[in-house]
Amino acid sequence: NAGVTQTPKFQVLKTGQSMTLQCAQDMNHEYMSWYRQDPGMGLRLIHYSVGAGITDQGEVPNGYNVSRSTTEDFPLRLLSAAPSQTSVYFCASRKSRQGFPYEQYFGPGTRLTVT
Amino acid sequence: RKEVEQDPGPFNVPEGATVAFNCTYSNSASQSFFWYRQDCRKEPKLLMSVYSSGNEDGRFTAQLNRASQYISLLIRDSKLSDSATYLCVVNLGDRDDKIIFGKGTRLHILP
Repeated sequence: NAGVTQTPKFQVLKTGQSMTLQCAQDMNHEYMSWYRQDPGMGLRLIHYSVGAGITDQGEVPNGYNVSRSTTEDFPLRLLSAAPSQTSVYFCASRKSRQGFPYEQYFGPGTRLTVT
Repeated sequence: RKEVEQDPGPFNVPEGATVAFNCTYSNSASQSFFWYRQDCRKEPKLLMSVYSSGNEDGRFTAQLNRASQYISLLIRDSKLSDSATYLCVVNLGDRDDKIIFGKGTRLHILP
């Protein structure tokens, strides 16, 4: 198993550009999520999905879109990049059962800089 | 009170010493608790789950105190390789999707 994979590992964007961060998992996990991690802020949830076709907003969703057309893939789209979106982005997945969050597996992260 | 709170540290501890840190949570209905470890510029990885009866894995011991709403992590005989940031993770209430990460406690083991 490859686990959770993310591409690209590094990206530099200019303000106003759009791009998609890719995330895939091969563990047949129902739950997938995107976090951003900034110094002193910890991990903050952007969007999450409890299964194919179902997505919901997390703590900091503005400026980001997601979709979940398959169990395996959960791309994150930056609509119009802003310097405030400079961060490290982690995708995570886990099994899902109501009321019981199983261990999360994280991808290696994407380091994004917006100039 | 913040939902999940940790002392950011850093804790500077000599090799071989015992170190402990706590994490407090605000929602008394929380049911699941975890400690994750994050190395510099890497992704977080599960260190251990925290059960009501406590949990021990080698040099690591995790405890839950529901009355005072905190979890703890004890590291005995610390090694240089234990240097990392330790993240406390709590689910809020009975919802599967409400998981909160603490901001982490930085630990430096000194030779």
